[in-house]
Amino acid sequence: ETGVTQSPTHLIKTRGQQVTLRCSSQSGHNTVSWYQQALGQGPQFIFQYYREEENGRGNFPPRFSGLQFPNYSSELNVNALELDDSALYLCASSSTGTETQYFGPGTRLLVL
Amino acid sequence: AQSVTQPDIHITVSEGASLELRCNYSYGATPYLFWYVQSPGQGLQLLLKYFSGDTLVQGIKGFEAEFKRSQSSFNLRKPSVHWSDAAEYFCAVGQHGSGNTGKLIFGQGTTLQVKP
Repeated sequence: ETGVTQSPTHLIKTRGQQVTLRCSSQSGHNTVSWYQQALGQGPQFIFQYYREEENGRGNFPPRFSGLQFPNYSSELNVNALELDDSALYLCASSSTGTETQYFGPGTRLLVL
Repeated sequence: AQSVTQPDIHITVSEGASLELRCNYSYGATPYLFWYVQSPGQGLQLLLKYFSGDTLVQGIKGFEAEFKRSQSSFNLRKPSVHWSDAAEYFCAVGQHGSGNTGKLIFGQGTTLQVKP
């Protein structure tokens, strides 16, 4: 059984640029959630995707957007990067009707 | 509003000693509760979860947690800590989804250091 995978592992961007992060969900899971974890903090919910549609959003601006594909994989896009966007971005997958989320290793983004 | 508080930011214990990490939550209904562990530079690994039923739940790596509704707590325990347990520990409450998985609300985390 393949777990949640994310790519890339690390990324360096400059302020104002755009970035796309990718996530492959665990086998059998159809729901993907994204979290931002700033240094020294707990993860914060960005949004969740189910059936290729956004299904819940945290307190993040519209420049954070996402996609889910028919194979349940997902992308997180961030436009107009700001220094405060530097963080570990975590993807978690789960199955409909369950409340347990399984996390990938994360993508560490540094914005200069 | 739902929230999770982990009162201890940093805890140091000696190898072989017992461990208890505290977690308090605020949630309007019966919560789904989780403990995750994060090693440096890694993602989150699920240690255990509570949904309903027996208030003492067993997890992986010898960890257990007890749900106490009257105290709004879900403390994590281990009888004998190993050096490999040194990591960041996060308590989380799951917000019930409308048929789907709800979002997780995390505490700030507790860093566990293990002395030889």
